[in-house]
Amino acid sequence: ETGVTQTPRHLVMGMTNKKSLKCEQHLGHNAMYWYKQSAKKPLELMFVYNFKEQTENNSVPSRFSPECPNSSHLFLHLHTLQPEDSALYLCASSQGGTGSADTQYFGPGTRLTVL
Amino acid sequence: AQSVSQHNHHVILSEAASLELGCNYSYGGTVNLFWYVQYPGQHLQLLLKYFSGDPLVKGIKGFEAEFIKSKFSFNLRKPSVQWSDTAEYFCALGNTGKLIFGQGTTLQVKP
Repeated sequence: ETGVTQTPRHLVMGMTNKKSLKCEQHLGHNAMYWYKQSAKKPLELMFVYNFKEQTENNSVPSRFSPECPNSSHLFLHLHTLQPEDSALYLCASSQGGTGSADTQYFGPGTRLTVL
Repeated sequence: AQSVSQHNHHVILSEAASLELGCNYSYGGTVNLFWYVQYPGQHLQLLLKYFSGDPLVKGIKGFEAEFIKSKFSFNLRKPSVQWSDTAEYFCALGNTGKLIFGQGTTLQVKP
């Protein structure tokens, strides 16, 4: 059973649309992450938040905009995406602290298709 | 630069066969290493992890992994696989709060 939930589970959007992905963790963690999982490629870390502060932006294009209003919630706002952005977007959480390499707990992901 | 490499992209085994999935990493400092598994239609979940101490780590469902520092390796093993082990397996290197993943290995176990 996962303590990390993601909505929606599936999303189809056009290149001119604006949509948001939501992640919520029920584990009392302080760090949250966004990853992109594309076919035949390693999971790519996109953003890291610790105690609501962004501590990592892995050269992600500005058409992806994260938001972390509190330690339990993480959003990924999407606008003017490209077809190559189609992928599974995974959220994860961990206990937190930039000096540690905690176990991360993953949500089920949002399958995004950009037409 | 830190990186993780998994040599086998697709492995097909019969039930009861032994399994070994290769994982090599590139990093000169202290490492924390993980194996995650993703069963069909399910989320990524932790199989086992190595932080320090005994280099032979035991995880869930009969899996184990051995950290060999001199070879920069953290191979995953299971003596006898079951059909339910069919999944994708990811090796990851942890450092300063981040995880760096390998490409993943798809394991198909035939009944």
